[in-house]
Amino acid sequence: DAGVIQSPRHEVTEMGQEVTLRCKPISGHDYLFWYRQTMMRGLELLIYFNNNVPIDDSGMPEDRFSAKMPNASFSTLKIQPSEPRDSAVYFCASTSSGGSSETQYFGPGTRLLVL
Amino acid sequence: QKEVEQNSGPLSVPEGAIASLNCTYSDRGSQSFFWYRQYSGKSPELIMFIYSNGDKEDGRFTAQLNKASQYVSLLIRDSQPSDSATYLCAVNRVTDKLIFGTGTRLQVFP
Repeated sequence: DAGVIQSPRHEVTEMGQEVTLRCKPISGHDYLFWYRQTMMRGLELLIYFNNNVPIDDSGMPEDRFSAKMPNASFSTLKIQPSEPRDSAVYFCASTSSGGSSETQYFGPGTRLLVL
Repeated sequence: QKEVEQNSGPLSVPEGAIASLNCTYSDRGSQSFFWYRQYSGKSPELIMFIYSNGDKEDGRFTAQLNKASQYVSLLIRDSQPSDSATYLCAVNRVTDKLIFGTGTRLQVFP
C-alpha cells in the first residue's frame, strides 16, 4: 500500500516564480494536511481539508499561498509569487476519521529553495 | 508562551541508557498527545499516542501524561544509536489539527 506521495521532492526556483507542490493522500483517508517545516519555526500547519473541503486555513502565511483539493486523491499547494523566505520543507499528511483519526501519515516532503 | 514547548537539545545519552524527553503544553483543553520521530532529512513518523493520565508502554518506549501539570514525556529504554533523531511532541485539542513542538534532538553515542 503506497503511502502519501508528494511531488516534486526538490524544487529550486527564483524569487517571483510560481511554485506548485502536489500531494496524493493515502487511499481512503478523508483528512489532508499541509505543513511547512523550518529550523526556526519547526513544523507549522498551513491548512487542512476534510472530504476535500478546506476546514482551517489560518496557518496560511499570506495571500501568496493557496491550496486546493479538487478530489479525494489530489491536492496542490501553490505559492505565487515565491520569495526566499518561503524556502522550507513542505509536508503533506493524511489520516482517516474511521480509525485512529489523529494518527497522521506524512509524505516524504518537498524541499523548496527560492533564490 | 508557545502552545507546545520542548527543549531543543541535543540530549546526549550513552547506548543502553534511558533517554527522557519532555514536553509541556499550554491549553488545558488538549485531549490527545503524540510523539513523532524524525530522522534527519526524513518525514515525521508516529511512535506513540496517549490520551489518559498515566503511563503507556510500547516495547522500549513509554509515554507518560500528567494533565494536571500539562506535561507529557517519552522514555526510551535501552537507547540505541539508531534512536538518534529529533523527537516531536504534538498535541490535539478539540479540532482535528495537531500542534507540534519544535522537537528535541536526541543523540545516542556508542
